[in-house]
Amino acid sequence: GAGVSQSPSNKVTEKGKDVELRCDPISGHTALYWYRQRLGQGLEFLIYFQGNSAPDKSGLPSDRFSAERTGESVSTLTIQRTQQEDSAVYLCASGGTGGSYEQYFGPGTRLTVT
Amino acid sequence: AQSVSQHNHHVILSEAASLELGCNYSYGGTVNLFWYVQYPGQHLQLLLKYFSGDPLVKGIKGFEAEFIKSKFSFNLRKPSVQWSDTAEYFCAVNNYYGNNRLAFGKGNQVVVIP
Repeated sequence: GAGVSQSPSNKVTEKGKDVELRCDPISGHTALYWYRQRLGQGLEFLIYFQGNSAPDKSGLPSDRFSAERTGESVSTLTIQRTQQEDSAVYLCASGGTGGSYEQYFGPGTRLTVT
Repeated sequence: AQSVSQHNHHVILSEAASLELGCNYSYGGTVNLFWYVQYPGQHLQLLLKYFSGDPLVKGIKGFEAEFIKSKFSFNLRKPSVQWSDTAEYFCAVNNYYGNNRLAFGKGNQVVVIP
């Protein structure tokens, strides 16, 4: 497809379980971002990948969160030992290089931790 | 760190009324400014953006925004709203020389009554 895709669209998991979220960026986009949106809040930055450079992990809230990306393709966000406060919509965006390029967002994964 | 403030989280207005949503940011350097919109059941879409040049920018669906550097503001306007403008609107800022990560406001939930 032409846009950013994410899977699953919804995920319900029990507290303490691990979850893996997937993002397929727009082909050719070198930059990939993960954001989190909690209920009633704006989006908060989690992690940024740019090509083969080391990722900017400065937004990850704890060491239970990690993400990988192979080259300029798919990325996965993993949350280990999920907690109820991890419940949120996790959004992926991709874009080109440089400060002036806009970001294109996927539909998000709604994660509910029970 | 950058922060973005949006006021009046919930806005209810009638069709044909004028809409103005405020956005203030806290960053003294060169920034890019964005308004994103999220219609019910859809993902975030770019409404308009400001990089440089004319501080009055026009976006899709009759929206416009004005960048006032001295006030660190980027307010969104539409002279006459339609029911289809019911959505959540997010202001976002990035550091032109940074990693392009976006700082978002908490959003404005706009409901247009037919």
